[in-house]
Amino acid sequence: SAVISQKPSRDICQRGTSLTIQCQVDSQVTMMFWYRQQPGQSLTLIATANQGSEATYESGFVIDKFPISRPNLTFSTLTVSNMSPEDSSIYLCSVIGQGGAGELFFGEGSRLTVL
Amino acid sequence: QKEVEQNSGPLSVPEGAIASLNCTYSDRGSQSFFWYRQYSGKSPELIMSIYSNGDKEDGRFTAQLNKASQYVSLLIRDSQPSDSATYLCAVNKGFSGGYNKLIFGAGTRLAVHP
Repeated sequence: SAVISQKPSRDICQRGTSLTIQCQVDSQVTMMFWYRQQPGQSLTLIATANQGSEATYESGFVIDKFPISRPNLTFSTLTVSNMSPEDSSIYLCSVIGQGGAGELFFGEGSRLTVL
Repeated sequence: QKEVEQNSGPLSVPEGAIASLNCTYSDRGSQSFFWYRQYSGKSPELIMSIYSNGDKEDGRFTAQLNKASQYVSLLIRDSQPSDSATYLCAVNKGFSGGYNKLIFGAGTRLAVHP
């Protein structure tokens, strides 16, 4: 499986600020996926990022709040804008594995705490 | 109705016993099914995948799929304290060129006690 690196691994942020999370993959991938895991909850898909096109956002997530960049086939960023305490979550980058059925592999996650 | 449902647990089993984890899903068009293990403070790790009705075994793990009943399960034989984690069931609603979407259940917390 691909090696997926995320930065930062954790951060403490002030309300109203924005933070950009980086995701680097050690191989070229067409699709990258950003998930959110709120405290004690399961994973929720934020958006799918394809290189060369606008990200596709899931219901309840908008580009103004979670802008995504996908400049090449190995890298993506997710920005959490104008943060509030409700944005305190783990944000996970993921890519599809080689098994052929759409299984996902995840980065280590970025744990954000908003004060 | 949630798209993927799991009992939140905790499911407590003694060391050496069989742990049985269950999951139901609502979309009959779902094509592939996965079990992930998530240790506290870590990201999810894929442990099993299954696409066809029946059983699939990998070491101490057996995944079972019944598409008619929209039911997926995971059996862990000879449970060890190191198996203590949250187990997430995930269902792929479709996988084709340019599209892939995994929906996760809320997870079942498993505690294996010595």
